[in-house]
Amino acid sequence: ELKVEQNPLFLSMQEGKNYTIYCNYSTTSDRLYWYRQDPGKSLESLFVLLSNGAVKQEGRLMASLDTKARLSTLHITAAVHDLSATYFCAVDTNTGNQFYFGTGTSLTVIP
Amino acid sequence: DTAVSQTPKYLVTQMGNDKSIKCEQNLGHDTMYWYKQDSKKFLKIMFSYNNKELIINETVPNRFSPKSPDKAHLNLHINSLELGDSAVYFCASSLYGVGANVLTFGAGSRLTVL
Repeated sequence: ELKVEQNPLFLSMQEGKNYTIYCNYSTTSDRLYWYRQDPGKSLESLFVLLSNGAVKQEGRLMASLDTKARLSTLHITAAVHDLSATYFCAVDTNTGNQFYFGTGTSLTVIP
Repeated sequence: DTAVSQTPKYLVTQMGNDKSIKCEQNLGHDTMYWYKQDSKKFLKIMFSYNNKELIINETVPNRFSPKSPDKAHLNLHINSLELGDSAVYFCASSLYGVGANVLTFGAGSRLTVL
């Protein structure tokens, strides 16, 4: 079974600081997704990364994918409180439509 | 209009009972899923249907039985509920195939077994 690991599991950071969340996966795939989940809510899509070297940015979040290292990163720049949520990466096997989620990173941004 | 809707949102029931959760999507997607999220927020796929056909069936007790009457609906029936079934169950949908297949999730159904 494909394994997807994120670290850290919990992250508490001050507003204005930068940090990176890491997502490692155990099998070949060039399709990786990032989702956000607010407490008690559903998951919403943030980024879709479809090739080696892909980089996507939205506001203070930037995601990248290195398929050779089987690694994706989600970089947070100058964190604000509104970014507090749980972030999940998910890998889609190359056979299509079999999504495996990472363990999640619970981010708390402290004012 | 809600894209992926699940009912009920909350379910509280006794051990041994049988319950169902319904899911409907109006996105025109051809693939639907059930995910289970436990108290530690781990998300695990349970089932996936493509055009009413089962394509993924992870290691799930056979007390769980999905049913897809058409490609817009995927229901989950659970027999003989156990304490360990307490979780949030998410329905999701996507388009099938190679390429970007973003999942659209429902709001979740929180099941509490007493």
